[in-house]
Amino acid sequence: KAGVTQTPRYLIKTRGQQVTLSCSPISGHRSVSWYQQTPGQGLQFLFEYFSETQRNKGNFPGRFSGRQFSNSRSEMNVSTLELGDSALYLCASSIQRNTGELFFGEGSRLTVL
Amino acid sequence: GQQLNQSPQSMFIQEGEDVSMNCTSSSIFNTWLWYKQDPGEGPVLLIALYKAGELTSNGRLTAQFGITRKDSFLNISASIPSDVGIYFCAGQLFGNEKLTFGTGTRLTIIP
Repeated sequence: KAGVTQTPRYLIKTRGQQVTLSCSPISGHRSVSWYQQTPGQGLQFLFEYFSETQRNKGNFPGRFSGRQFSNSRSEMNVSTLELGDSALYLCASSIQRNTGELFFGEGSRLTVL
Repeated sequence: GQQLNQSPQSMFIQEGEDVSMNCTSSSIFNTWLWYKQDPGEGPVLLIALYKAGELTSNGRLTAQFGITRKDSFLNISASIPSDVGIYFCAGQLFGNEKLTFGTGTRLTIIP
């Protein structure tokens, strides 16, 4: 079956702009989590969505937001971009909430100039 | 944010060698997981451990859940070229909580 699909794969933005990233989970998976990956900080948890509700949130500023739709697809948005937001943003899905067994997408690589 | 300490940070080995890496935490976890990330891709789950002292294998990979619940170990036997990548441990205290990832161990195979 198809894996987790993230779009776009690569994008370049300038400081102050905003960006929206999309994630389509594996069919039947209802939980979607987002992670930011940078060389300095590693993999950092952003948020988790289940049944269209945010269930967990990491330690990121309010500029980072997300949502989940009724078909389990998810989007995350970063407003007022800063240079430090340059990272690989990974989406992961799982069948249910109560598991650490995640299926990751290939990520969206954001570069902020 | 919190990260788990993985060692070594990087390894340079020859094909056929065995590999050992570990992950330590200052706090306990009830679940330990090991993921591998290839260049340009997202992490892929290798092994999940759910009980202190548990030893689980997946082909040439063997992982152990430390008895103190503050550490985990991953061994790879008879390494092959496709083992190259970054290995991450991850801990989870309760099932409905986020994963905390380790700093990663980069494995390189020297020709």
